[in-house]
Amino acid sequence: DGGITQSPKYLFRKEGQNVTLSCEQNLNHDAMYWYRQDPGQGLRLIYYSQIVNDFQKGDIAEGYSVSREKKESFPLTVTSAQKNPTAFYLCASIPSRGASGNTIYFGEGSWLTVV
Amino acid sequence: AQKITQTQPGMFVQEKEAVTLDCTYDTSDPSYGLFWYKQPSSGEMIFLIYQGSYDQQNATEGRYSLNFQKARKSANLVISASQLGDSAMYFCAMRALLTGGGNKLTFGTGTQLKVEL
Repeated sequence: DGGITQSPKYLFRKEGQNVTLSCEQNLNHDAMYWYRQDPGQGLRLIYYSQIVNDFQKGDIAEGYSVSREKKESFPLTVTSAQKNPTAFYLCASIPSRGASGNTIYFGEGSWLTVV
Repeated sequence: AQKITQTQPGMFVQEKEAVTLDCTYDTSDPSYGLFWYKQPSSGEMIFLIYQGSYDQQNATEGRYSLNFQKARKSANLVISASQLGDSAMYFCAMRALLTGGGNKLTFGTGTQLKVEL
């Protein structure tokens, strides 16, 4: 079955450490996204990528970095510069602009906690 | 720039009643898509309904309907015959479909719906 796989589901990070969250999709989608969600809050866009080797900053990119070396993969690194990284992180993808898809596909999310 | 506004942080509805969740949007793109998603406490995002900006009729999916008023830039979700299982967070989202806006997906801050007996 096609879908988006995020890993790990739960992750603990010590202060000062970088951590990388994985997002893999086998839907052949061009566009991929990372969102951060704090408890009881909405989804805020961190980074998004519309094509391999290209990505754009979202609304809260500071303290995060991404890469898009393969169409299937869009990993997110939470760096030590992110002062309050404890949150729920969601990865999403959609077909390319012009395609017929009208659904956003989401991964199951990753819970990151700083200890 | 595109923006989604959900002005109701929380809503209560009695079982079997209908409820409307508000969503207004702002975009400079003439072509866009509007989505509603449900997020239960487990965190998964469940697709409910989609409306294209050029669709002539309002979208419906079972108990869900989208009251799309393009001139007012609103895309309210109507849930008919509420069920206890409808208790969740609901998000409105928009996707720009032309160059410039690219494929940026913007979400609102959500509405927490609680269905009561």
